[in-house]
Amino acid sequence: DGGITQSPKYLFRKEGQNVTLSCEQNLNHDAMYWYRQDPGQGLRLIYYSQIVNDFQKGDIAEGYSVSREKKESFPLTVTSAQKNPTAFYLCASSIQSAYGYTFGSGTRLTVV
Amino acid sequence: GIQVEQSPPDLILQEGANSTLRCNFSDSVNNLQWFHQNPWGQLINLFYIPSGTKQNGRLSATTVATERYSLLYISSSQTTDSGVYFCAAASSGSARQLTFGSGTQLTVLP
Repeated sequence: DGGITQSPKYLFRKEGQNVTLSCEQNLNHDAMYWYRQDPGQGLRLIYYSQIVNDFQKGDIAEGYSVSREKKESFPLTVTSAQKNPTAFYLCASSIQSAYGYTFGSGTRLTVV
Repeated sequence: GIQVEQSPPDLILQEGANSTLRCNFSDSVNNLQWFHQNPWGQLINLFYIPSGTKQNGRLSATTVATERYSLLYISSSQTTDSGVYFCAAASSGSARQLTFGSGTQLTVLP
């Protein structure tokens, strides 16, 4: 079955460490996205990529980095510069940006 | 950027009741979607509806683009309909991606 796989589901990070969240899709979608969700709030866009080897900052990109070396993969690194990284992270993809989105099941990151 | 406002923020229904959720947006759009987030956090795409009306079973949605609002109708609600419903929109005037509203928390009581 086609879909988006995010791993791990739960991740604990010590302060000062970088961590990388995985996002893989087999839908043959060109566009991929990373969103952050804080408790009781909507989703905010971190980064997006419309084609391989290209990506753009979203509304809250500071403290995050991404790469898009393959069409299927769009990993997100949460760096030590992100001051409040504890959140629920959701990856999505779409055929192109003006089409319906499919979301992964998310990664819950906690800083300990 | 585009502003997306949803109402009501919270809604409690008895099983079998009907409901209407509203989404207002501040600019013309080329993309508008409704999502349901279940208690485990999974977001399910309900409708891609930048204009017009669509129906899927007990759910239907209408977007009136000229008046900048969209409505999600839930008929004969079931306890499994509980969760958060998000509206998200992207402005047709720029290359910006989806902006999400703050959601409507729906609780359906048995």
